[in-house]
Amino acid sequence: DAMVIQNPRYQVTQFGKPVTLSCSQTLNHNVMYWYQQKSSQAPKLLFHYYDKDFNNEADTPDNFQSRRPNTSFCFLDIRSPGLGDAAMYLCATSSPLSYEQYFGPGTRLTVT
Amino acid sequence: KQEVTQIPAALSVPEGENLVLNCSFTDSAIYNLQWFRQDPGKGLTSLLLIQSSQREQTSGRLNASLDKSSGRSTLYIAASQPGDSATYLCAVNSGYSTLTFGKGTMLLVSP
Repeated sequence: DAMVIQNPRYQVTQFGKPVTLSCSQTLNHNVMYWYQQKSSQAPKLLFHYYDKDFNNEADTPDNFQSRRPNTSFCFLDIRSPGLGDAAMYLCATSSPLSYEQYFGPGTRLTVT
Repeated sequence: KQEVTQIPAALSVPEGENLVLNCSFTDSAIYNLQWFRQDPGKGLTSLLLIQSSQREQTSGRLNASLDKSSGRSTLYIAASQPGDSATYLCAVNSGYSTLTFGKGTMLLVSP
């Protein structure tokens, strides 16, 4: 089945230690997104790619970076995680025809 | 700036009831609206997508309506089941491919 895959599902990192989360898709969608969702809150868009064009939300901290080496893969890098960065990180893709978004299962990040 | 509000924040019903979840948005210039389901600790599952030119969409026991001019959408769940217990999120696409989410309605259906 075509899908959005996120690895790992659970990640524990230490305060200040860089961490990378990965997302892959078999849908061949040209748009990919990274969202941050904290407990009992709505998902918050961090950035998205339209093909290779990177679009950063104005309030996304500089601590968060992203890479998209090809259509299928996208990475979220957190350069120096703080305790406030503990959250669920959701990757999504969207169809260029309907703009319906498809989400992966998420990566739960814990910062110790 | 688009803002999305969902009412109620939480809802508890006995099994078998029909129920309605509400979503309102401030800017009616939308491209589409999507309803999602989220189980605890999991990702989002798309339930229904309504394009701005449509009035409603149906999938099984779910029916979503859209009144763009008044900035409202409703998600109707017929004959609720315990397996429907989850958080339901409404999200609006105002263009440029990005979604604005509401905070969700947490639904509990008791046997």
